[in-house]
Amino acid sequence: GAGVSQSPRYKVAKRGQDVALRCDPISGHVSLFWYQQALGQGPEFLTYFQNEAQLDKSGLPSDRFFAERPEGSVSTLKIQRTQQEDSAVYLCASSLALRGRKLFFGSGTQLSVL
Amino acid sequence: DAKTTQPNSMESNEEEPVHLPCNHSTISGTDYIHWYRQLPSQGPEYVIHGLTSNVNNRMASLAIAEDRKSSTLILHRATLRDAAVYYCIPSQGGSEKLVFGKGTKLTVNP
Repeated sequence: GAGVSQSPRYKVAKRGQDVALRCDPISGHVSLFWYQQALGQGPEFLTYFQNEAQLDKSGLPSDRFFAERPEGSVSTLKIQRTQQEDSAVYLCASSLALRGRKLFFGSGTQLSVL
Repeated sequence: DAKTTQPNSMESNEEEPVHLPCNHSTISGTDYIHWYRQLPSQGPEYVIHGLTSNVNNRMASLAIAEDRKSSTLILHRATLRDAAVYYCIPSQGGSEKLVFGKGTKLTVNP
C-alpha cells in the first residue's frame, strides 16, 4: 500500500520567498506530525494534528511557520519569508491511532534557501 | 522529559549480532521506549517499542532492564542494509510527540 507521500522532494527558494510543503498521510491515519531535520542532527518536532485539530504547535520556530490540515487528511506546512536557517529536511509522519505508538514517516522535503 | 544517552557510533561485522545500548535513567513508569532507525536519505522507520517486558519482532529484539533505566536493541544478524542511525526514544509523559536525540550511527562492515 501507499506510504506517506511528501512533495516536492526538493525545493530551492530564494531568501524571502514563501514556500508550501505538502504531506499526504496514509489513508485513515488520524495523527499527523511535522518534523524538521538539520544536517547531521536528529529530527526536531514542529507540530502535531489529530484529524483537523492542531493540538501541539510548540515546536514551530517562529510565526513565519504555519501548518494546516483542513479536512483531516492532507497537510501543508507553509514557511513565509524564508531565511537561510530554514534550510533543512522537513519530515511528515502519520499514525493510525489517537495515541499511536508507530509513526510512519515520509522521505521528506529537502529545502534549500539561498 | 526523559533524557537519553546513546553512543555516537558503533561498528559491526556483517552477520554478527549487534547490541545497541540506551540509557534513559529519568524515564517515568508509564513511558514506552521506542526505537526508530533512519537510513541515508530516508525518513525514520519504526523498529520496535516496549514498556517493561522484552519484545521481539521480525526486525529486532528489545531488552529492557528491570529498573527500566536502560534498554538494548538487538539485531541478531546484522546485514549491510542495517547500516543506519538508530534512535532510542522514551515517550514523553503521555504526550503524542516523539522527541529524537542524535542517535547511534551504526556501520556494518562486509
